[in-house]
Amino acid sequence: QVQLVQSGSELKKPGASVKVSCKTSGYTFTTYPMNWVRQAPGQGLEWMGRINTNTGNPTYAQGFTGRFVFSLDTSVSTAYLQISSLKAEDTAVYYCVASVVYWGQGTLVTVSS
Amino acid sequence: DVVMTQSPLSLPVTLGQPASISCKSSQSLVHSDGNTYLNWFQQRPGQSPRRLIYKVSNRDSGVPDRFSGSGSGTDFTLKISRVEAEDVGVYYCMQGTHWPFTFGPGTKVDI
Repeated sequence: QVQLVQSGSELKKPGASVKVSCKTSGYTFTTYPMNWVRQAPGQGLEWMGRINTNTGNPTYAQGFTGRFVFSLDTSVSTAYLQISSLKAEDTAVYYCVASVVYWGQGTLVTVSS
Repeated sequence: DVVMTQSPLSLPVTLGQPASISCKSSQSLVHSDGNTYLNWFQQRPGQSPRRLIYKVSNRDSGVPDRFSGSGSGTDFTLKISRVEAEDVGVYYCMQGTHWPFTFGPGTKVDI
């Protein structure tokens, strides 16, 4: 069955960077685009953007340009989200989503001094 | 961006009774390919979201038939025919027609 397993929770200081991984199994990695969704504590869902798993071409939603980078390692069927210059307001659970259907378990990124 | 609104934002329900959630979009969700990419997700407490309905009215595999979706254009509805205890959570509509995809604010369903 399709599985998306994300890396564990992260605690970072403001200004640092973080890289979240999303390892997939149970399907051909290049079949679906990989999307990223953010959920701030107690808040709703926010679509961050997606990456074409065939071409590696990322597309970012407004508000997620500059500090946010989507990348792939197709050799290990894994997608990555890197966030640089972290701010307190980046504190959230980040989900990888294959197509619109298959969700990872989420990675909590906490930014605090 | 397409703005998705939902009502109500909080929905107290009674076990065994029906429930309904409305979702409206700021522009038509009919894609140029003729499909309407309106999805419904359920997020139970402490869990990742799970898609229930795609393209307005199609249930995903394993979704109980007490869940149904309807609507067209800019107005959509998710109905639960008889609420069960496991239906507690937050329900989101999401449009996948226009980039960027956007979610509604969520409707919290509790007993």
